[in-house]
Amino acid sequence: GAGVSQSPSNKVTEKGKDVELRCDPISGHTALYWYRQSLGQGLEFLIYFQGNSAPDKSGLPSDRFSAERTGGSVSTLTIQRTQQEDSAVYLCASSLVNNEQFFGPGTRLTVL
Amino acid sequence: GENVEQHPSTLSVQEGDSAVIKCTYSDSASNYFPWYKQELGKGPQLIIDIRSNVGEKKDQRIAVTLNKTAKHFSLHITETQPEDSAVYFCAASQGGNEKLTFGTGTRLTIIP
Repeated sequence: GAGVSQSPSNKVTEKGKDVELRCDPISGHTALYWYRQSLGQGLEFLIYFQGNSAPDKSGLPSDRFSAERTGGSVSTLTIQRTQQEDSAVYLCASSLVNNEQFFGPGTRLTVL
Repeated sequence: GENVEQHPSTLSVQEGDSAVIKCTYSDSASNYFPWYKQELGKGPQLIIDIRSNVGEKKDQRIAVTLNKTAKHFSLHITETQPEDSAVYFCAASQGGNEKLTFGTGTRLTIIP
C-alpha cells in the first residue's frame, strides 16, 4: 500500500518568509511524528500527534515552529519568519501500534 | 532525557565480510530499539528492531543484540553486499508511541 508522503520534496525560501510543509501518513495510522535532520546529523524529534492532539511538543526549537493535524490524518508543519539555521530535511513518520515508525521521503528546506 | 551514542561514524568493509555497528543508551526506561537504513535522498527505512524482553533477533543477514544491563545494542550485517552501503541509524524509545531518540549515524561503505 501507499507509504508516508510529504510535500513539497524541495522548498527554497528567503529568510523571513513563512513556509508550510505537508505530511500524509499511512492510512489508519493514529500516531504522527515530525523530525528534523540537519546536514550530516541524526534525526531530531520535533513533535508527536496522537489523533489530532499533540501530547509531546517538546522538540519544537522555538515559537516560530508550529504544527497541526486535522481529521486524524494530514499534518502541516509551519515555520514562521524562517532563518538560515532552519535549513534541514524535515521528515514525517507515522505509526499504528508498538512504535514501528514509518518515514516519508522528507522535505528539503533551504533558507537563503 | 534519553541520549543515544553510536559508533563508528564511518565504516568500510570488504564485500562478503561482516559489519558491526554499536550503540549505547542512557535511559533505563527505554525498551524499544529500532535500526534504520537511509539511502541518499530518501527517508529512513526500518530494517530491524528489538524489544527489551529479548536479547537477540535475526532476519536473514541482519541481526541485533541487546544488553540491557550494560545499556548497549548492536547491529550485525553478515555477508555484506554493495547494496548494503548506506547510513545506518540506531534509536531508542520507551515504547508505546513515544518519540524515538536517534544516534548520529554510521556511514557504511561496502568495497567491491
